[in-house]
Amino acid sequence: RKEVEQDPGPFNVPEGATVAFNCTYSNSASQSFFWYRQDCRKEPKLLMSVYSSGNEDGRFTAQLNRASQYISLLIRDSKLSDSATYLCVYNFGNEKLTFGTGTRLTIIP
Amino acid sequence: NAGVMQNPRHLVRRRGQEARLRCSPMKGHSHVYWYRQLPEEGLKFMVYLQKENIIDESGMPKERFSAEFPKEGPSILRIQQVVRGDSAAYFCASSPPFQGSYGYTFGSGTRLTVV
Repeated sequence: RKEVEQDPGPFNVPEGATVAFNCTYSNSASQSFFWYRQDCRKEPKLLMSVYSSGNEDGRFTAQLNRASQYISLLIRDSKLSDSATYLCVYNFGNEKLTFGTGTRLTIIP
Repeated sequence: NAGVMQNPRHLVRRRGQEARLRCSPMKGHSHVYWYRQLPEEGLKFMVYLQKENIIDESGMPKERFSAEFPKEGPSILRIQQVVRGDSAAYFCASSPPFQGSYGYTFGSGTRLTVV
């Protein structure tokens, strides 16, 4: 089983719609969780950290379910600029990050 | 305050040549990490360095790959005798002390093509 599993997509979503992604992880010792976004042929950029209590940043909401070992990302009122690949990322409390292969999202005008 | 600087942006090498990738961390960042992204795959950790020390090289291939972060100058990822399978995007990240994974900033990467 892969350490991090994400639906690769692509998700093609009309502008203004709500879209959600899930990501499952296999190692229960994982401590910190993040969503990164990566635009085509660019570096990954931190979108938000994910906390057990759930957290929101504008149109973005992230949730962590430790019992079921998954994290989720919800994007409301999607914009054309949200088109990117969304990477599920975690670590074990050390310095290195484990990345999923990403979910590709395209927002359609 | 410049971000993490990587050069070159693109590098083409023939099989058997050496590739040297450079990374200058952000000002005030003393931790450097190298990741590799193969086509259609996620980023994979390679090595974590602090000045003059390799802290964790568990992701480095056993042969042909080496990394350093000298007291002065950028961090260098060196690939000897490159093969086609080394073609990938190599990203460097840096973070300040004590922030670990919460303080990462990535550079724009070096795209290595082996022909």
